[in-house]
Amino acid sequence: DAMVIQNPRYQVTQFGKPVTLSCSQTLNHNVMYWYQQKSSQAPKLLFHYYDKDFNNEADTPDNFQSRRPNTSFCFLDIRSPGLGDAAMYLCATSSDSRRTDTQYFGPGTRLTVL
Amino acid sequence: GNSVTQMEGPVTLSEEAFLTINCTYTATGYPSLFWYVQYPGEGLQLLLKATKADDKGSNKGFEATYRKETTSFHLEKGSVQVSDSAVYFCALRNQGGKLIFGQGTELSVKP
Repeated sequence: DAMVIQNPRYQVTQFGKPVTLSCSQTLNHNVMYWYQQKSSQAPKLLFHYYDKDFNNEADTPDNFQSRRPNTSFCFLDIRSPGLGDAAMYLCATSSDSRRTDTQYFGPGTRLTVL
Repeated sequence: GNSVTQMEGPVTLSEEAFLTINCTYTATGYPSLFWYVQYPGEGLQLLLKATKADDKGSNKGFEATYRKETTSFHLEKGSVQVSDSAVYFCALRNQGGKLIFGQGTELSVKP
């Protein structure tokens, strides 16, 4: 089945220690998104790639970076995690950015910061 | 601007009860509307969608109709099961735009 895969499902890091979360897709979609979701809240968009074009949300902290080396993979780098960065991180894809295009989500990575 | 408002949860129902989760939206243009479901510890799964006025989305016994005149997209199910316990998110998307989520409604179904 075509899908969105996130690794690892659970990640523990230390305060200030860089961490990378991974997302891959077999859907061959043009657009890949990263969301942050804190407990009992809706997902918050951090940034997205349309093909190789990176689009950052205005309120995404500089501490968060992303890379998309090819169509299938996208990475979220947190340069110096703080306690407030503990959250579920969701990757999503869509074939395009038309209003009718569905976003398909991965299972998420739960990040704990000690 | 674009926004989505859902009824507050948690909603607690007995098994086989009728479910309605209200969703209203504010948007420029003609957005598409979505319902996503999130089970504990999991990502979001698309439940159903509608892309134009009067469209009805349906899946797994859930239904929602895109009502432009009332700017609503209420989620309904005739008979809920314990396995339907989850958080439900209503969302809209305009052309080239972000997916805008409501705050989510937690549903708990008791046997």
